Amino acid sequence: EAGVTQFPSHSVIEKGQTVTLRCDPISGHDNLYWYRRVMGKEIKFLLHFVKESKQDESGMPNNRFLAERTGGTYSTLKVQPAELEDSGVYFCASSQVVGINEQFFGPGTRLTVL
Amino acid sequence: GDSVTQMEGPVTLSEEAFLTINCTYTATGYPSLFWYVQYPGEGLQLLLKATKADDKGSNKGFEATYRKETTSFHLEKGSVQVSDSAVYFCALSDQGDDKIIFGKGTRLHILP
Repeated sequence: EAGVTQFPSHSVIEKGQTVTLRCDPISGHDNLYWYRRVMGKEIKFLLHFVKESKQDESGMPNNRFLAERTGGTYSTLKVQPAELEDSGVYFCASSQVVGINEQFFGPGTRLTVL
Repeated sequence: GDSVTQMEGPVTLSEEAFLTINCTYTATGYPSLFWYVQYPGEGLQLLLKATKADDKGSNKGFEATYRKETTSFHLEKGSVQVSDSAVYFCALSDQGDDKIIFGKGTRLHILP
């Protein structure tokens, strides 16, 4: 069974540009999460989808970030326009059932904004 | 709000040494506690977990005990190997809440 995959693995963009990150969860997992680790800090929750609906987006830093999960399969996270402080590693995770059910993480996308 | 504090790294040990990585937490409810590990070039993997006080989680020779009285969940291993070199994250998930709250991570280097 394939794990959670993320694309690209690394993105380098200039301030003001747009970047779209993609996450493919494990097949059959209704729950999809985005997290972010800014250098030297904690991994922080961004948002949680249940199928195509946003269950919790309390961690989204501002309206430059837009997450979608059309059709309840893969998800995209768009940053527009990117700022320097958006640099970090963006992790996606998925789980089958809400609760203490294990979240399976992808390898992350390293975003560098110059 | 809820938070996790873990010892700063990097931690460098020789093979077969005893490992302790300290972790303490602050939570309003009765959280579940986790240790995640990230090996080089890979994603986060759940190493072990404990869901209630006095529970002991264990996996791959690692152990951690949920201590409510000291709000701690220290990670231990009796004899580390070079292959244990990785970044270790202590984390919690509060009851009724699905998001995971992480510590800053501790990088562990094991020398042969």
